[in-house]
Amino acid sequence: EAQLVQSGAEVKKAGEPLKISCWGSGYKFAKSWIAWVRQTPGTGLQWLGLVYPVDSDIKYSPSFRGHITISVDRANSSAYLQWTSLQASDSGIYYCARLQSAARLPSGMDLWGQGTTVTVSS
Amino acid sequence: DIVMTQSPDSLAVSLGETVTINCRSSQNILLSSNNVNYLAWYQQKPGLPPKLLIYWASTRQSGVPDRFSGSGSGTNFTLTISSLQAEDVAVYYCQQFYTSYTFGQGTKLEI
Repeated sequence: EAQLVQSGAEVKKAGEPLKISCWGSGYKFAKSWIAWVRQTPGTGLQWLGLVYPVDSDIKYSPSFRGHITISVDRANSSAYLQWTSLQASDSGIYYCARLQSAARLPSGMDLWGQGTTVTVSS
Repeated sequence: DIVMTQSPDSLAVSLGETVTINCRSSQNILLSSNNVNYLAWYQQKPGLPPKLLIYWASTRQSGVPDRFSGSGSGTNFTLTISSLQAEDVAVYYCQQFYTSYTFGQGTKLEI
């Protein structure tokens, strides 16, 4: 069974660094883009960026570029999202999700991790 | 950015009824070269991640009951749930993936 399993909840202080992970199993991890999505009560669901495990191609949302770093370890079927200096506004639930491709066309996000709750205190 | 606007924000429903949720995009999300609308619908229940229901505006994801259907093109889209079941109570989101990815604000179904 295909699944994405994320690292556990984090409680941090503003200014601290953080790296969260997303491990894929049950499918060919390298062959699908992985997206990171944040959910907060105030801003809803927001796309942060994408990574393609085959060649580590990364695309960032302009809203988050420069504040986050996305990476991938193809050998360990894992994708990562990291911050060098957290802000209180980074609090939220972070999901990784697989981009589905049908007939070689993008067709939504079909597999989601369980979410990682990040709480940043100021 | 393409802005996705859903209506209504919330909806009181009764079991067995037909529910309609609307989604409007600020720009056209139909790619004319392949006639594909780059729009998806998701269902999210408390404590769980979103679940893909519909993609390309009207193609049902494998395993999704046929009481869920999607329609529309260009900038206006609709998710219809026929014969509403108790397990359908959730928040529903539309998402465009024509240019990057943006989600609607969500529509909450309540009994």
